[in-house]
Amino acid sequence: EAGVAQSPRYKIIEKRQSVAFWCNPISGHATLYWYQQILGQGPKLLIQFQNNGVVDDSQLPKDRFSAERLKGVDSTLKIQPAKLEDSAVYLCASSILAGVGDTQYFGPGTRLTVL
Amino acid sequence: LAKTTQPISMDSYEGQEVNITCSHNNIATNDYITWYQQFPSQGPRFIIQGYKTKVTNEVASLFIPADRKSSTLSLPRVSLSDTAVYYCLVGEVNNDMRFGAGTRLTVKP
Repeated sequence: EAGVAQSPRYKIIEKRQSVAFWCNPISGHATLYWYQQILGQGPKLLIQFQNNGVVDDSQLPKDRFSAERLKGVDSTLKIQPAKLEDSAVYLCASSILAGVGDTQYFGPGTRLTVL
Repeated sequence: LAKTTQPISMDSYEGQEVNITCSHNNIATNDYITWYQQFPSQGPRFIIQGYKTKVTNEVASLFIPADRKSSTLSLPRVSLSDTAVYYCLVGEVNNDMRFGAGTRLTVKP
């Protein structure tokens, strides 16, 4: 079965610019997660979707970050404007359904460098 | 959310058994214990999950005492390719789980 797809794999931008990341979860997975992983730290959950509704966005910096999941499938995460501290790997994951199953499946991530 | 505490790093040698312990004193009744493995430049990968007692699969075992306030991930006969960061997560399955800093395991020849 195909895994979680993410693009781009790498992105370099200057501070104050905008950037968007795309994620295509595993087919049939209702729950989608976006994580931010700063070098040397564990992944930090930014937002969790169940189908196209938001379950948890308590750690999403909403003044600059936004995310959507149209039609309950693909998702995009946007940063506008970017700051130096946003340099990180952005991971997308999906699972069958929150509260069931046993695992989240992670994509390869997008490495963002903000100069 | 249950807070987890695990060692920052561990060293081992090829062929040895490695045990990584995670403390989670305030685990809730509905919480499961899940372990993930992460290699550099990759997303985390599920290793094992359990609720109580012992769980074993083809790559690891998970030991959970009766009070569930801690758990131990056991990796039998590690190889160089097991060098990675290992994360212990506690929470409802695929919901309300938070990654900590993890344990960086280095396997030496």
